[in-house]
Amino acid sequence: NAGVTQTPKFQVLKTGQSMTLQCAQDMNHEYMSWYRQDPGMGLRLIHYSVGAGITDQGEVPNGYNVSRSTTEDFPLRLLSAAPSQTSVYFCASSPTTQGKKLFFGSGTQLSVL
Amino acid sequence: DAKTTQPPSMDCAEGRAANLPCNHSTISGNEYVYWYRQIHSQGPQYIIHGLKNNETNEMASLIITEDRKSSTLILPHATLRDTAVYYCIVRVGGTSYGKLTFGQGTILTVHP
Repeated sequence: NAGVTQTPKFQVLKTGQSMTLQCAQDMNHEYMSWYRQDPGMGLRLIHYSVGAGITDQGEVPNGYNVSRSTTEDFPLRLLSAAPSQTSVYFCASSPTTQGKKLFFGSGTQLSVL
Repeated sequence: DAKTTQPPSMDCAEGRAANLPCNHSTISGNEYVYWYRQIHSQGPQYIIHGLKNNETNEMASLIITEDRKSSTLILPHATLRDTAVYYCIVRVGGTSYGKLTFGQGTILTVHP
């Protein structure tokens, strides 16, 4: 049982490039979410999804897009990367019956130059 | 969601109990208290949660005051591996699952 898998672990982008951070879970969880964590700060919610085909914005959604075509996958797209998006990104999932017991991935460290 | 207040840092000797406080004076009746921790550069890990009653699991105990305005997470026998940032979060329970807001938490340092 792999849990929540994030790829890549590290990524360096140039300003203006686009890319997709991948997140997959094999626990059949309905709820999935993306957080970013900047140095010395807590985690901030970017986007979340309560099931396939349903997404919603979190606290800091600007510059990011998401979609949820399957239960397993919840990719995060950076349309035009900016240095302010340099951060560590965490994906999390949860079964609806245990709403807030989140299972986190190991993170993606992103640097935008 | 109710706001939480935690001390920025705490120290604990290895083998002793670590007691991490959290103030949530504006908590409402249907809001749960959740605790997570984050060991350096890893994803956060769920520890425990509760509504009114004290809770215990294999990792920790959660003590919630009778008026529910504060709580304490207890690690009964802290080890060096418990050094981490501990987050106290308050969120509505039931079917309104979704967002969890992580503040800056408490940095717990367990020393030999």
